[in-house]
Amino acid sequence: NAGVTQTPKFRILKIGQSMTLQCAQDMNHNYMYWYRQDPGMGLKLIYYSVGAGITDKGEVPNGYNVSRSTTEDFPLRLELAAPSQTSVYFCASSWTRPRRDTEAFFGQGTRLTVV
Amino acid sequence: EDQVTQSPEALRLQEGESSSLNCSYTVSGLRGLFWYRQDPGKGPEFLFTLYSAGEEKEKERLKATLTKKESFLHITAPKPEDSATYLCAVQAKENFGNEKLTFGTGTRLTIIP
Repeated sequence: NAGVTQTPKFRILKIGQSMTLQCAQDMNHNYMYWYRQDPGMGLKLIYYSVGAGITDKGEVPNGYNVSRSTTEDFPLRLELAAPSQTSVYFCASSWTRPRRDTEAFFGQGTRLTVV
Repeated sequence: EDQVTQSPEALRLQEGESSSLNCSYTVSGLRGLFWYRQDPGKGPEFLFTLYSAGEEKEKERLKATLTKKESFLHITAPKPEDSATYLCAVQAKENFGNEKLTFGTGTRLTIIP
């Protein structure tokens, strides 16, 4: 049972570089999300997607972009990395209503350091 | 704005010493309150969803309860493997999926053998 798979697990970027964090899920969930988790802070939503071809901004979208060409994949793009983007990034997926079981399933995270 | 406050920030217990974690919330109509467990270096792992005041759910040594203002995660006779950070999150009624899921900062629980 793969669930939600994120790659890479760790990455160090230099200021101004770009990269894509990969996320794939095999549960056929329609919703997918990207969160960031900083020490002492709750998980903050960056972007989410309600299905292939549809994305929307969360609380902290600046400096990031996403796309959703398939149900399974939801990559997060960082353009012009900045030290403020040093964080742990989590991808998650879930069902939505009318199903009642809308809990999110999370990947193992990508620890990103921008130097 | 939806808000979630968890207390205490950290809790150290002896093995077998029962206790409770608190999650206080403010939300414009609660659709669901979620509890997650997070181990160091891992993603959050789903534990429970509670939908209405008075609801309770149990799993092994954990029991979650819900009132109109807060939720408790009761841990009975904990073992060292229960050590983790426990996260609480709320979802407002008008939102589909989890796009407006608001998380607390968590309680870091350590069980000492």
